[in-house]
Amino acid sequence: GENVEQHPSTLSVQEGDSAVIKCTYSDSASNYFPWYKQELGKRPQLIIDIRSNVGEKKDQRIAVTLNKTAKHFSLHITETQPEDSAVYFCAAPTRGADGLTFGKGTHLIIQP
Amino acid sequence: ETGVTQSPTHLIKTRGQQVTLRCSSQSGHNTVSWYQQALGQGPQFIFQYYREEENGRGNFPPRFSGLQFPNYSSELNVNALELDDSALYLCASSLRPVRENTEAFFGQGTRLTVV
Repeated sequence: GENVEQHPSTLSVQEGDSAVIKCTYSDSASNYFPWYKQELGKRPQLIIDIRSNVGEKKDQRIAVTLNKTAKHFSLHITETQPEDSAVYFCAAPTRGADGLTFGKGTHLIIQP
Repeated sequence: ETGVTQSPTHLIKTRGQQVTLRCSSQSGHNTVSWYQQALGQGPQFIFQYYREEENGRGNFPPRFSGLQFPNYSSELNVNALELDDSALYLCASSLRPVRENTEAFFGQGTRLTVV
């Protein structure tokens, strides 16, 4: 099946700085990579996703990049704000099982 | 909000008992997936239902079973509960199965505690 590794597990940045979270995947056939944000006690919310026919996608302060050759994808958040504090999960399709395999999550802390 | 609703929100069960969790999918969505999220971990895929049929399963034992109804709502059943089954159970609905690269939207989850 798919294996998704996510780094770092905790990331602390100053408000206004940028944050980058990285994920690698094992299945070269994977072609869909969503990112979810989960605040404490709440549901995971889809914030951005990318399909394998593009290398980068942006939505305001959030961007995702994909390198299919290296099998890794990254989440970039610019001009971080206190409300960006949360746990972020990357995911990729679970091979042969039609679900999503998630990374272990990154706890992003925005320091005032 | 996503339009995906789950019930109940919290549940306490005794080891060995059985439990049924429910999920109403977003309007227009025919695919429901179930995930188990242990504390401090990412969600783990249990199984997916598409048009009332199970069409994918993760690494969970047969005592985890499910149903999808004609209105595309779904149930997750867990038999012979174990202490390690304590977790947040999430359902996610989507327009099509995940293999077709479609977004999945999560419900708020059911917090199950097994004592």
